[in-house]
Amino acid sequence: DTEVTQTPKHLVMGMTNKKSLKCEQHMGHRAMYWYKQKAKKPPELMFVYSYEKLSINESVPSRFSPECPNSSLLNLHLHALQPEDSALYLCASSRGQVYGYTFGSGTRLTVV
Amino acid sequence: GESVGLHLPTLSVQEGDNSIINCAYSNSASDYFIWYKQESGKGPQFIIDIRSNMDKRQGQRVTVLLNKTVKHLSLQIAATQPGDSAVYFCAEIVSYDKVIFGPGTSLSVIP
Repeated sequence: DTEVTQTPKHLVMGMTNKKSLKCEQHMGHRAMYWYKQKAKKPPELMFVYSYEKLSINESVPSRFSPECPNSSLLNLHLHALQPEDSALYLCASSRGQVYGYTFGSGTRLTVV
Repeated sequence: GESVGLHLPTLSVQEGDNSIINCAYSNSASDYFIWYKQESGKGPQFIIDIRSNMDKRQGQRVTVLLNKTVKHLSLQIAATQPGDSAVYFCAEIVSYDKVIFGPGTSLSVIP
């Protein structure tokens, strides 16, 4: 298995809803990442987990809450989002710094 | 601040021609660079990488060139095909586990 699987593929949520994005990989990668990508823009790093511990938080608002239950799973919990949070949320995993990332196909999130 | 940028936001090429996508970076301490391809509705896909101790690296139909003197990176695609149409990002490893992406170049292949 050489893929990163993200669910759901599409999500529409209201500003008062609570939802979660899920990411899974079975490649034994030790690092997992959340990126946010707006239309026609590059991915922007949000969070990095290394060996299941949060190692980087790029000053992301607390309405985004990451969780890494085990080495294969990464969640992003969403609460009280704003319409400007609508974007493609990408998960990635990596064996390490110099091996590049494997990205999932993303969750297209729309906040209404 | 740190930035990775591209000279051309869009590029149109005739099928069969070679494509060259450029990227400028500003962090002279970076020692690892990656090119990604992103097709519509998909996540970025690794194409090729290069370390700072190299000037050139070749893959299948792709070549990456690194000029550390002027902090410039390029991706060359030989015999461009319609399936090469996508947005291409250069990316720079600025620190352990932190990757910065350039703004991207949209490549359109004309049949």
